[in-house]
Amino acid sequence: DAGVIQSPRHEVTEMGQEVTLRCKPISGHDYLFWYRQTMMRGLELLIYFNNNVPIDDSGMPEDRFSAKMPNASFSTLKIQPSEPRDSAVYFCASSPRSGPYNEQFFGPGTRLTVL
Amino acid sequence: AQSVTQLGSHVSVSEGALVLLRCNYSSSVPPYLFWYVQYPNQGLQLLLKYTTGATLVKGINGFEAEFKKSETSFHLTKPSAHMSDAAEYFCAVTAPTGNQFYFGTGTSLTVIP
Repeated sequence: DAGVIQSPRHEVTEMGQEVTLRCKPISGHDYLFWYRQTMMRGLELLIYFNNNVPIDDSGMPEDRFSAKMPNASFSTLKIQPSEPRDSAVYFCASSPRSGPYNEQFFGPGTRLTVL
Repeated sequence: AQSVTQLGSHVSVSEGALVLLRCNYSSSVPPYLFWYVQYPNQGLQLLLKYTTGATLVKGINGFEAEFKKSETSFHLTKPSAHMSDAAEYFCAVTAPTGNQFYFGTGTSLTVIP
């Protein structure tokens, strides 16, 4: 199994630009999570999906952030417009059908830098 | 609601010495507890987890943790540190009926040769 795949691994953009981060979960996993990691705030859950349906987006910082999961094998996290304070490492994780309290499998992350 | 507190954001040990990383949790229901490790420029990977049953849990790479309900703790230990153990370690908690992980702020482990 290839594991959770994220792209791009690194993204550098200018303030005001749209940024799209992509994630392919492990096949057969029904839960998908988006996290943000910064030195100041640590690891924060932004949103999670169950069977492609957003369940809890209370961690999404503001309306500039949006996430979609059009099918079981693909999810996007979009920031529009981006700001320097959005600079962070964004992780996608997936969890199997047996429940989210089982292991979450993390992707390698996307390091976003907004200038 | 659940939360975890990791005491000590940075821990340094000599190679071959005992590793002890501290985690205390708060939970209104019986918790499920996890330790994850993050190596530089990588995602998190599971070290071990406690759900039910035996309170001493063994994980990968020689790590283990003990669930102590009376102390609301789930400290991570390894008898002898290896250079390859240098990484960031995260404690996390969730509830059996919950859908979210609550991660601690992490502890960075440095192993001194």
